[in-house]
Amino acid sequence: EIVLTQSPGTLSLSPGERGTLSCRASQSVSSTYLAWYQQKPGQAPRLLIYGASRRATGIPDKFSGSGSGTDFTLTISRLEPEDFAMYYCQQYGISPPYTFGQGTKLEIK
Amino acid sequence: EVQLVESGGDLVQPGRSLRLSCTASGFTFADYTMSWVRQAPGKGLEWVGFIRSKGYGGTTEYAASVKDRFSISRDDSKNIAYLQMNSLKIEDTAVYYCVRDKPFLEYLYGLDVWGQGTTVTVSS
Repeated sequence: EIVLTQSPGTLSLSPGERGTLSCRASQSVSSTYLAWYQQKPGQAPRLLIYGASRRATGIPDKFSGSGSGTDFTLTISRLEPEDFAMYYCQQYGISPPYTFGQGTKLEIK
Repeated sequence: EVQLVESGGDLVQPGRSLRLSCTASGFTFADYTMSWVRQAPGKGLEWVGFIRSKGYGGTTEYAASVKDRFSISRDDSKNIAYLQMNSLKIEDTAVYYCVRDKPFLEYLYGLDVWGQGTTVTVSS
């Protein structure tokens, strides 16, 4: 099973700053099957990025994904109040089990 | 509108069974693999399993934590996916989400549609 480790566990930033979230895999992951989700309290997760770098429908371009192999990054430029939430990375696709990272909490500083 | 609606969550005793339903609308349900993902109170996301579309044989895969206790099925004529949960344990307590997964013949996709979730509480 592929283990995904997200860092930091909590990221404290101010509105207007840039957020960089990391996801490291225990073994190489196909970029085709690496996704990022945003989850706010009491809500279902929302797909932000799939295929490591492709924005899902309706996701603004302030969200960007990058990486390959075992290291992936979600970058959020120009943080706005609504961006403060939990973020999860996930590997999925042709070889189950799917796994999620433990999450990064992005909080207002 | 593309939508998934889960139902069937309840308070059940350990060792009992429960079946969750996921009703889809706004898209061609039969063309998609459907996943279930759960989230225990205050915890992260855990993939439970999926059922492939008939185009991929309609077969299922499960997380090790639920294999042999949970089973997923689908009724494409009704646009419903089911999660049958047997021998429930306290640690199965969670919000269960139904999620739209792989479209048939697409290789670049994301798990892009999530239901609102249904709550299962296992307690004596």
